[in-house]
Amino acid sequence: EVQLVESGGALVQPGESLRLSCAASGFTLSTHDMSWVRQAPGKGLEWISFIAGRDGATYYADSVKGRFTISRDSGKNSLYLQMNSLRGEDTGVYYCSLSKFASWGQGTLVTVSS
Amino acid sequence: DVVLTQSPLSLPVTLGQSASISCRSSESLVYSDGNTYLIWFHQRPGQSPRRLIKKVSDREFGVPDRFSGSGSGIDFTLKISRVEAEDVGVYYCMQGSRWPWTFGQGTKVEIK
Repeated sequence: EVQLVESGGALVQPGESLRLSCAASGFTLSTHDMSWVRQAPGKGLEWISFIAGRDGATYYADSVKGRFTISRDSGKNSLYLQMNSLRGEDTGVYYCSLSKFASWGQGTLVTVSS
Repeated sequence: DVVLTQSPLSLPVTLGQSASISCRSSESLVYSDGNTYLIWFHQRPGQSPRRLIKKVSDREFGVPDRFSGSGSGIDFTLKISRVEAEDVGVYYCMQGSRWPWTFGQGTKVEIK
């Protein structure tokens, strides 16, 4: 059974950094496309990053380009999102998702506030 | 960026009746491989989204056949026949044909 478990969410101050993790089970993460999607409180869904299973190519939304980095560790079967220079508008629940969103984790909450 | 405009944004429905949600794209979503990567999701309050339909009309395994997707090019529709109480929540369309991928604003379905 496919399972995705996000972790690493926290309350941080503007300008600080945070790394989110997504532990996968039931499939080999490094051979599948993976994405991060976020949802601000009471708002809609926003796709923010993608990593290709085939060649590791990465893509980002303009809102996070240059500040966030998606990566993966095949040994740990995990996906990561390194988030730097955090802003208040980065507050929300962050989800990892498999392939074109076939499966989702439960999400982890990031709050950026002074 | 591709803008997806959903309508209506709020949809009160009567149990047993049908409901339709429109998703209009600012440009064609036909990808270079000939596929159209238009996806529909359902999100219940407090839950993660669930993919209902991929590539316009391809229903996920386990999704009731009351849900159907249609459309082409820039105009897409999700139809729910015989709405049930479990269908409440927010429905999103999303395009995976053009970078950056984008979501519609969401349509909130509630029971009258």
